Amino acid sequence: GAGVSQTPSNKVTEKGKYVELRCDPISGHTALYWYRQSLGQGPEFLIYFQGTGAADDSGLPNDRFFAVRPEGSVSTLKIQRTERGDSAVYLCASSLHNRDTDTQYFGPGTRLTVL
Amino acid sequence: AQSVAQPEDQVNVAEGNPLTVKCTYSVSGNPYLFWYVQYPNRGLQFLLKYITGDNLVKGSYGFEAEFNKSQTSFHLKKPSALVSDSALYFCAVRPPGTYKYIFGTGTRLKVLA
Repeated sequence: GAGVSQTPSNKVTEKGKYVELRCDPISGHTALYWYRQSLGQGPEFLIYFQGTGAADDSGLPNDRFFAVRPEGSVSTLKIQRTERGDSAVYLCASSLHNRDTDTQYFGPGTRLTVL
Repeated sequence: AQSVAQPEDQVNVAEGNPLTVKCTYSVSGNPYLFWYVQYPNRGLQFLLKYITGDNLVKGSYGFEAEFNKSQTSFHLKKPSALVSDSALYFCAVRPPGTYKYIFGTGTRLKVLA
């Protein structure tokens, strides 16, 4: 079946602009995660959704970052007033539930470049 | 602070030889442990996980990992490496009571023909 998809695959923007990154999880997966991966680093947790609600948003670096999942499926990560330091690959993952035994499945990521 | 360490940036091994990619963690309680692999221009793929039970966990593509509580380690192993195993490997931990996964910085495995 279809895996996690993310759009766009690449996004180039200018400093100060607003961007939206989209994640389509595997159908039926109730848990959804966003991560940021900088060059040479492992994924860094940003936010976790269980259904429509953000169960843990403690990884969002500041109030320029916001994410929504209004219908419990597709999620959008929104970044306001982008800065060059926001340049990274943004990864989305989903899992069937939030049980301890569940496995996360990752999308291919969106590479964001802020000029 | 809770953390995951992958002490080797790169591991080189000859094809057919056994391989080990190291991972240690610093987490309170009994964490859940994971290994993922990342191929160029592709997303992270799940290899295996330890939740509870037998300390030796078997996963995809012939990989296995051994959980060692006393050494707080979860090293990834494979008895006979393939050139196609060359990729970037990430260890991750999920502390108990949270869904905030912590990833290591990754180890690049290069299998030489």
